[in-house]
Amino acid sequence: GESVGLHLPTLSVQEGDNSIINCAYSNSASDYFIWYKQESGKGPQFIIDIRSNMDKRQGQRVTVLLNKTVKHLSLQIAATQPGDSAVYFCAENLNEKLTFGTGTRLTIIP
Amino acid sequence: NAGVTQTPKFRVLKTGQSMTLLCAQDMNHEYMYWYRQDPGMGLRLIHYSVGEGTTAKGEVPDGYNVSRLKKQNFLLGLESAAPSQTSVYFCASSPSASGNTEAFFGQGTRLTVV
Repeated sequence: GESVGLHLPTLSVQEGDNSIINCAYSNSASDYFIWYKQESGKGPQFIIDIRSNMDKRQGQRVTVLLNKTVKHLSLQIAATQPGDSAVYFCAENLNEKLTFGTGTRLTIIP
Repeated sequence: NAGVTQTPKFRVLKTGQSMTLLCAQDMNHEYMYWYRQDPGMGLRLIHYSVGEGTTAKGEVPDGYNVSRLKKQNFLLGLESAAPSQTSVYFCASSPSASGNTEAFFGQGTRLTVV
């Protein structure tokens, strides 16, 4: 039978649309956050980071938003492409160590 | 650029056997980490090292030991493997504390304990 935590949250997005992946973090004292992308059979790959003194940071086709009031982080991917299919993890700095969320699987619909 | 290299990539062990996973990085990073990844649970920190000769426990250290005899290498040992240690293991390194900069990951080692 099913067990809690065995199924990743999933997001299906039409190719060309924008994707928004959300993450709730646990500790209000966390001061550094990273989004990682993990493709099947590979290790996590850095996408973008943000420090707690910022609420928005932009990269190439990606934007990270940080809302410290509600301890929420989001990753926005513009014009989603087939190569964006992966599992996306947010990670927060806690006592100088990264703590990862459970991840969101992004699927691109052609 | 090799980056972070893990050896082996796959392994099957019988319960009670021992093995060592090797992680090597060529970026002269001070910090190195071992994580395990299980379905739907993200990555959990097993042990980490803030420099040559130092190691520390992470979130799930039981059943594992580590050594950092050389700056570029971080070894993860399983003394007596158990089925609960079936997982994908990732090594990572960073130039400073991972709380301040990105960590670079290896490709993973898929371990099955039967």
